[in-house]
Amino acid sequence: ETGVTQSPTHLIKTRGQQVTLRCSSQSGHNTVSWYQQALGQGPQFIFQYYREEENGRGNFPPRFSGLQFPNYSSELNVNALELDDSALYLCASSLGGVGNQPQHFGDGTRLSIL
Amino acid sequence: DAKTTQPTSMDCAEGRAANLPCNHSTISGNEYVYWYRQIHSQGPQYIIHGLKNNETNEMASLIITEDRKSSTLILPHATLRDTAVYYCIAEGLNQGGKLIFGQGTELSVKP
Repeated sequence: ETGVTQSPTHLIKTRGQQVTLRCSSQSGHNTVSWYQQALGQGPQFIFQYYREEENGRGNFPPRFSGLQFPNYSSELNVNALELDDSALYLCASSLGGVGNQPQHFGDGTRLSIL
Repeated sequence: DAKTTQPTSMDCAEGRAANLPCNHSTISGNEYVYWYRQIHSQGPQYIIHGLKNNETNEMASLIITEDRKSSTLILPHATLRDTAVYYCIAEGLNQGGKLIFGQGTELSVKP
């Protein structure tokens, strides 16, 4: 069973640029959630995708957007990068629609904004 | 969404049981208690979850009080590799899969 994989592992961008982060969900999972974790803090929920549709969103501006593909992999896009966007971005997959199922996380993408 | 409260840090001797408490006094009837841990530079790792009954798996045991206002995660024989931040989360079916992480408990297992 392949776990959740994220790419790239590290990324450096400058203010104003755009970035795309990728996530492959665990085999058999149809739901992907994205989280942002600032240094020293717990992860914060950005949004979730279930069967290619957005299924909940946290308190993040519209410049944070996402996609889920038919194979249930997902992308997180961030436009007009700001210094405060520097963080670890985590993807988690789960099996939605069958009751309470745990989310399984990848090891994240470390994004640094200069 | 029920808020959880955990101690900021705890120490445990290697080989002893680690008992990590969590308060969730406002938990609603459909909210499960989840435990995750995060080892430095890795993503959170799912440990265990439960609704009312005590649960046990290969990693840990979860004891939930009868009134569901608190719970304890038990690592029966802690090892140095169990050193991590442990998060207790209350999550329900109506929350759209949103896990609300607090600051967690930093567990240090010492030789």
